[in-house]
Amino acid sequence: GQQLNQSPQSMFIQEGEDVSMNCTSSSIFNTWLWYKQDPGEGPVLLIALYKAGELTSNGRLTAQFGITRKDSFLNISASIPSDVGIYFCAGLSGGYQKVTFGTGTKLQVIP
Amino acid sequence: SQTIHQWPATLVQPVGSPLSLECTVEGTSNPNLYWYRQAAGRGLQLLFYSVGIGQISSEVPQNLSASRPQDRQFILSSKKLLLSDSGFYLCAWSYQVGAAFFGQGTRLTVV
Repeated sequence: GQQLNQSPQSMFIQEGEDVSMNCTSSSIFNTWLWYKQDPGEGPVLLIALYKAGELTSNGRLTAQFGITRKDSFLNISASIPSDVGIYFCAGLSGGYQKVTFGTGTKLQVIP
Repeated sequence: SQTIHQWPATLVQPVGSPLSLECTVEGTSNPNLYWYRQAAGRGLQLLFYSVGIGQISSEVPQNLSASRPQDRQFILSSKKLLLSDSGFYLCAWSYQVGAAFFGQGTRLTVV
């Protein structure tokens, strides 16, 4: 089946630093999504990307849909303690647009 | 606006007992519906997805089953729980083209 490889698996950063994480796949996706999950909660959608090459921002977050449609990255600028959580990428494909999730990046911010 | 409800939030069940988790969506029609399981600190494993009433696709062989008796109702069941069924279960919905939106999750502990 389809797999999304997400890196890094985890990261510790200092408050105020910028963060970058990415997601790659051997398959083409029609849509790329980025989610954040707080402990004990369901993932919350951060950014959705619908076109190859699309660059979209949501506050301090910026995400891009790769030209090849097989990758995406998420950047967080000037990190703050509430950015802590697990970030998941996800891709949609197929006639029924099934959602496939990446393995997640666990982000810890040191105040 | 669309909302998704999932219950119960937490559940402790003995080995061998049955399971029924329910998920309902409001404010939309004919959504795609999903059940995911998440082990502690791990990624999201897709268990089942449904594109319509009575249409269920299983992603992994397991001790669980799913049903969609109504357009906006998705049920996850088991006849006899195993210890390995413990985890965080998440229901999600999406339009046929678009991002998935998650419920708050059910923390299941099988003892």
